[in-house]
Amino acid sequence: QKEVEQNSGPLSVPEGAIASLNCTYSDRVSQSFFWYRQYSGKSPELIMSIYSNGDKEDGRFTAQLNKASQYVSLLIRDSQPSDSATYLCAVVSGGSNYKLTFGKGTLLTVNP
Amino acid sequence: GAVVSQHPSRVICKSGTSVKIECRSLDFQATTMFWYRQFPKKSLMLMATSNEGSKATYEQGVEKDKFLINHASLTLSTLTVTSAHPEDSSFYICSARAASPDLGELFFGEGSRLTVL
Repeated sequence: QKEVEQNSGPLSVPEGAIASLNCTYSDRVSQSFFWYRQYSGKSPELIMSIYSNGDKEDGRFTAQLNKASQYVSLLIRDSQPSDSATYLCAVVSGGSNYKLTFGKGTLLTVNP
Repeated sequence: GAVVSQHPSRVICKSGTSVKIECRSLDFQATTMFWYRQFPKKSLMLMATSNEGSKATYEQGVEKDKFLINHASLTLSTLTVTSAHPEDSSFYICSARAASPDLGELFFGEGSRLTVL
C-alpha cells in the first residue's frame, strides 16, 4: 500500500509569516511530486511540481524534496489570507501503472 | 496550465434517475482521465481510471455497473451515475493527464456537485 502522509492541521499562521507544510511518502521509487491547493467546495489546483532533490521556487512558493528521507515540503512566504485552503501533497507511484496518490491534506489558515 | 472543463457543475436529481457528467480537456489531449469523488471534509477518493478506447479500471469497492465511464476520445470522458440514490450525493471531480509532454501532472476539472433527493 503506497501511502502519502500529511499533518491534517489545522495550521494557523499570521499574515506575512512563512507557512511550512510537510509530507512523507512510502514508495521509495517515486519520481514525481506535486502540491495542490484546494479551496473549500472547489476542485484541486496544481501549484507546484518537483522531480529532483533540492529546492524549487516559484514566486512565494518553494517546494523542497529529499528522496533519501522520502520527504517533500512546501513553504509559502509572506502568507496571505487568500492562501487559506487545504494543501494536498501528491506522489506518483513507481512502476508501470501510473497512479497519483494524494495525502489527506493540511488545512492552512492565514490570519489577517 | 492545461484546462479541463467539467459539466454540469451542479445537479440535483430524484432518486432512481441517472446523471451524466462530462469531462473535457480543452487544450491538450489526455491519454488518461481519472474520476474522483470527495465527501465533505474528506480527501479525494479515486473511483476509476479511464483510458481512451478501452474499458475503465475501477478501484476496489466501486461498482462499475453503477458508475459507468466512457472515454470516447482523447479529449472527452463521461461518468454516468445510474439509478442514483441519496448516498451517491457527493462532489465528483475528473482529472486528466496530458499525452505530451507528460510530466505526471494531473489537471482537474471544476467538479460536479451531485445531490440526489
